[in-house]
Amino acid sequence: DQQVKQNSPSLSVQEGRISILNCDYTNSMFDYFLWYKKYPAEGPTFLISISSIKDKNEDGRFTVFLNKSAKHLSLHIVPSQPGDSAVYFCAASDNFGNEKLTFGTGTRLTIIP
Amino acid sequence: NAGVTQTPKFQVLKTGQSMTLQCAQDMNHEYMSWYRQDPGMGLRLIHYSVGAGITDQGEVPNGYNVSRSTTEDFPLRLLSAAPSQTSVYFCASSPTKAEQYFGPGTRLTVT
Repeated sequence: DQQVKQNSPSLSVQEGRISILNCDYTNSMFDYFLWYKKYPAEGPTFLISISSIKDKNEDGRFTVFLNKSAKHLSLHIVPSQPGDSAVYFCAASDNFGNEKLTFGTGTRLTIIP
Repeated sequence: NAGVTQTPKFQVLKTGQSMTLQCAQDMNHEYMSWYRQDPGMGLRLIHYSVGAGITDQGEVPNGYNVSRSTTEDFPLRLLSAAPSQTSVYFCASSPTKAEQYFGPGTRLTVT
């Protein structure tokens, strides 16, 4: 049972445009959400997070939106750059961010120059 | 500050062999964990530790053992390797919250 779902395995976006990556979850106990970015042959790196008490969190070009009623979050990257090409994982935890993360299956983002 | 280090980077085992994947961190983080990444499955938690001497099972613990004798080290032991354990293994650490720092991974093949 996949509690965190990323239904788009891949996404291609023109450089300079907006990239939108989506994530859905089924466990209503999740209250802390994170996005990780992964390059080939490297470990994932933390990108941005959001607590369920917020509906938006912004960090530079990256914004995460949370819709609790729909159990849906999205990551917006504006403007997209070639270095953003990577696999993006959505992750969730309960208890406002304990250490046990449940990951989605990832979305491969390709930025086209 | 090396962060999270993992050795070896690559390993090939025969079915039934045992081995230990090493993980160390120099950030004095209390929490450490092991994940495996398989195609189409994302990362799945194998075991985790909230401090020296304390370990617990994650989502997919069968076939793996861990111990945490020091804050710095968190080795993962495969007791009797099986082809189903072919995967990429990531170790991670964090101070308290969920923003974990991952190592570069160990690619394991069991034949």
